[in-house]
Amino acid sequence: SSELTQDPAVSVALGQTVRITCQGDSLRSYYASWYQQKPGQAPVLVIYGKNNRPSGIPDRFSGSSSGNTASLTITGAQAEDEADYYCNSRDSSGNHLFGGGTKLTVL
Amino acid sequence: QVQLQESGPGLVKPSQTLSLTCTVSGGSISSGGYYWSWIRQHPGKGLEWIGYIYYSGSTYYNPSLKSRVTISVDTSKNQFSLKLSSVTAADTAVYYCARTSIAAWSDHIDYWGQGTLVTVSS
Repeated sequence: SSELTQDPAVSVALGQTVRITCQGDSLRSYYASWYQQKPGQAPVLVIYGKNNRPSGIPDRFSGSSSGNTASLTITGAQAEDEADYYCNSRDSSGNHLFGGGTKLTVL
Repeated sequence: QVQLQESGPGLVKPSQTLSLTCTVSGGSISSGGYYWSWIRQHPGKGLEWIGYIYYSGSTYYNPSLKSRVTISVDTSKNQFSLKLSSVTAADTAVYYCARTSIAAWSDHIDYWGQGTLVTVSS
């Protein structure tokens, strides 16, 4: 069955750049969307489509895709970016999938 | 600004049916262009898509839950609902309702409810 794979944890020094990746066969056909979730809160959409940011999302967040891998890049990570990040996509059968999530630590 | 709010019992007994309703405000379920979705998150775990409904009533469910899930819509009340039958402790989770924006090759969830914790216990 289709699935999306993320690294469980990633860390970045304050102000540095970090890339969070998501792999899956469905990403060859469909873009990933990315969600930030802080403890006790609902997820928030940060990137969707080719590289689109909803209103209110800082421009340090960007997205890209190549082959079966989608990436979320945070350029100049801030302390408030520490959170769990989830990728999401659909497959050709109509299933909507989530990656297992990546816990981002800002050092 | 679209807002979604889950409501329903926070405690369900094993083998019974979990029932939740999502009330949408600030936008019409009937406007088209969106799937109305249910997603859950087990304590300390990741997100799991349960399924969605289109305003016309068309549904799509996670194959792993399909035999137990029913999602329905009431456009007159601007609400959609989730029923999950034969629950066990493994169904204890925070349940979110959400709006999925339909876009070519890039569906995305642009609005989420705050989530509601449902515990399955006798």
